[in-house]
Amino acid sequence: TQLLEQSPQFLSIQEGENLTVYCNSSSVFSSLQWYRQEPGEGPVLLVTVVTGGEVKKLKRLTFQFGDARKDSSLHITAAQPGDTGLYLCAGALGGSEKLVFGKGTKLTVNP
Amino acid sequence: NAGVTQTPKFRILKIGQSMTLQCAQDMNHNYMYWYRQDPGMGLKLIYYSVGAGITDKGEVPNGYNVSRSTTEDFPLRLELAAPSQTSVYFCASSYLGEDTEAFFGQGTRLTVV
Repeated sequence: TQLLEQSPQFLSIQEGENLTVYCNSSSVFSSLQWYRQEPGEGPVLLVTVVTGGEVKKLKRLTFQFGDARKDSSLHITAAQPGDTGLYLCAGALGGSEKLVFGKGTKLTVNP
Repeated sequence: NAGVTQTPKFRILKIGQSMTLQCAQDMNHNYMYWYRQDPGMGLKLIYYSVGAGITDKGEVPNGYNVSRSTTEDFPLRLELAAPSQTSVYFCASSYLGEDTEAFFGQGTRLTVV
């Protein structure tokens, strides 16, 4: 059973397009994190969202935490080839030290 | 700052052999984690530790062992390697756990033949 479900699993788009990827769970999280991983490297943190309904922006990336703290989304505006990578959401259930990850969304932005 | 250092980067093992994957961090983080990443499967938590002397199982602990004798080091031991353990292994550390950033090593690519 996957605690965090990410969709879509694969996404291939053209430069300049917008996209949204999703991270969903039936469980409540105290916080959710988004990481990006490039081939041959470990994941690198993009953002942590903590409060239900919270929206955070990082240049062209917008992250939202669901009101019920069970889901999150990542929206990229005007995607660029440099955005290509595996996007992973991660979280720990309240009171748990286990940091668990979703399967990821593999994004390819074609020039 | 070296961050999280994993060794080796690559290894080929024969079925039944044993080995230890090394992980060291120099950030004085109390939380450390071991994950494996299979193609298309994201990261699966093997073991984690919230401090020296304390370890606990993650989602897929079978076939692995860990120890945490110091804050800095968190080695992962494979006793009897099996083809199902072919994967990329990542070690990570964080300061407080779930609300703080996890820093990852560059991974160890293990093939069991």
